[in-house]
Amino acid sequence: RKEVEQDPGPFNVPEGATVAFNCTYSNSASQSFFWYRQDCRKEPKLLMSVYSSGNEDGRFTAQLNRASQYISLLIRDSKLSDSATYLCVVSRNFGNEKLTFGTGTRLTIIP
Amino acid sequence: DAGVIQSPRHEVTEMGQEVTLRCKPISGHDYLFWYRQTMMRGLELLIYFNNNVPIDDSGMPEDRFSAKMPNASFSTLKIQPSEPRDSAVYFCASTREQETQYFGPGTRLLVL
Repeated sequence: RKEVEQDPGPFNVPEGATVAFNCTYSNSASQSFFWYRQDCRKEPKLLMSVYSSGNEDGRFTAQLNRASQYISLLIRDSKLSDSATYLCVVSRNFGNEKLTFGTGTRLTIIP
Repeated sequence: DAGVIQSPRHEVTEMGQEVTLRCKPISGHDYLFWYRQTMMRGLELLIYFNNNVPIDDSGMPEDRFSAKMPNASFSTLKIQPSEPRDSAVYFCASTREQETQYFGPGTRLLVL
C-alpha cells in the first residue's frame, strides 16, 4: 500500500463547477500536510498547507481528518487556470524533512 | 529573487554514459533535496542534505547513483553508468527550517 493515496482521475469538470479531491495517508505519525499544484511539464508548487481546523484560501478549502487519516481539497467556482495536477503531500514535520507525495489527481476544467 | 536553478534542463544520452545533473539552491537555504518523477512511481525523494551533509540517502536507487554537495550553493547528482530506466524528470528543491520546499524547474533525462 502506498503511503499517500489519491484518485488519479482525470477529473473533467465544466468551468464554474465545484470539484473535490480526496487523499488518504497511512503513516499516523505524519504531522504536516499540504496540497501542491503541478502544471504540465512544470515543477510542483505549494498550493496550501492543511490544518486540522480546516483552512480556506479564496476559492480553495482544505480539510484534514486525523482520525480517518484523510485530507481533502475543495475548489469552488473553478476556472480554466485551475487545470493542473494536484498532489497530496505529507511530512513527519514541517518542510525540512522528507515530503511524501501522492501520485496526483489530474484536473481539466472544460470551457 | 532567483529560485532554485537546475542544469541542464534537458539531457539525452546513450545507455552506459555518465550523466551529471546540477543544482543551485536558493541563497540562505540550508536544506537541499533531490527528487525523481516518473509516470509510474510519481515523485520520489532520492536524497537530502542539511548544511551540505547528506542526511538521508535511502531513496537512492542503487550504487550507480551518487550525490554531492561541496558547498552551500551547489549540488550534483551523478548517474554512472546510465540506463534507460533512469529516464525521468529530476527535481532539486531547497528550504530552510520551518519553511516549505521550493522546487527547481527540473531536468528531463532521456537515456536511449
